[in-house]
Amino acid sequence: EAQVTQNPRYLITVTGKKLTVTCSQNMNHEYMSWYRQDPGLGLRQIYYSMNVEVTDKGDVPEGYKVSRKEKRNFPLILESPSPNQTSLYFCASSPRQGDNWQETQYFGPGTRLLVL
Amino acid sequence: AQKITQTQPGMFVQEKEAVTLDCTYDTSDQSYGLFWYKQPSSGEMIFLIYQGSYDEQNATEGRYSLNFQKARKSANLVISASQLGDSAMYFCAMVANAGGTSYGKLTFGQGTILTVHP
Repeated sequence: EAQVTQNPRYLITVTGKKLTVTCSQNMNHEYMSWYRQDPGLGLRQIYYSMNVEVTDKGDVPEGYKVSRKEKRNFPLILESPSPNQTSLYFCASSPRQGDNWQETQYFGPGTRLLVL
Repeated sequence: AQKITQTQPGMFVQEKEAVTLDCTYDTSDQSYGLFWYKQPSSGEMIFLIYQGSYDEQNATEGRYSLNFQKARKSANLVISASQLGDSAMYFCAMVANAGGTSYGKLTFGQGTILTVHP
């Protein structure tokens, strides 16, 4: 089954304790990205990757890191989480960079993060 | 830069009736795509429908149709024959050429919560 998986699905942590949210897709997609969802703001892109070893900042990259060492994995790293990073996080992937707009992005199930 | 505006924080509809969720967009790009996603209370993002900027016909997918008015920069979602299971948050989103760096970033609106009453 084609899917994007994220782990963990729920996480409660404390300020400053490094954490990683994993994302994996089994569709051999080139393009992957991370979004965060906050009430009244919709989803905003954090980071994206166009292929292995190619990553770039989205609209709200502060406080986050990513890596793309393998095509299928795109982990999101919070080196020193803060309460303002409490949010719902989505990983997404799509087959190509976007010349074919109809190739919609496939979203993971989401990770709910609470930073105390 | 792209911008999506959804002006209806919440909408109510009676079961079996039709409802329109509003979406306006802003972009200077000529080539772009418009999407609608549904997010039920469980949280996952479900793709509903897509409209390309050069598509002359309005997109339809089952009970969903997209009322695309390019000159007015609007892309409203019409749900016909509403069902209780349609109660969810709905997001309008777009992807554009972004000045040549067509990396496929989705820009989302704030969302509209739809409640279907029996």
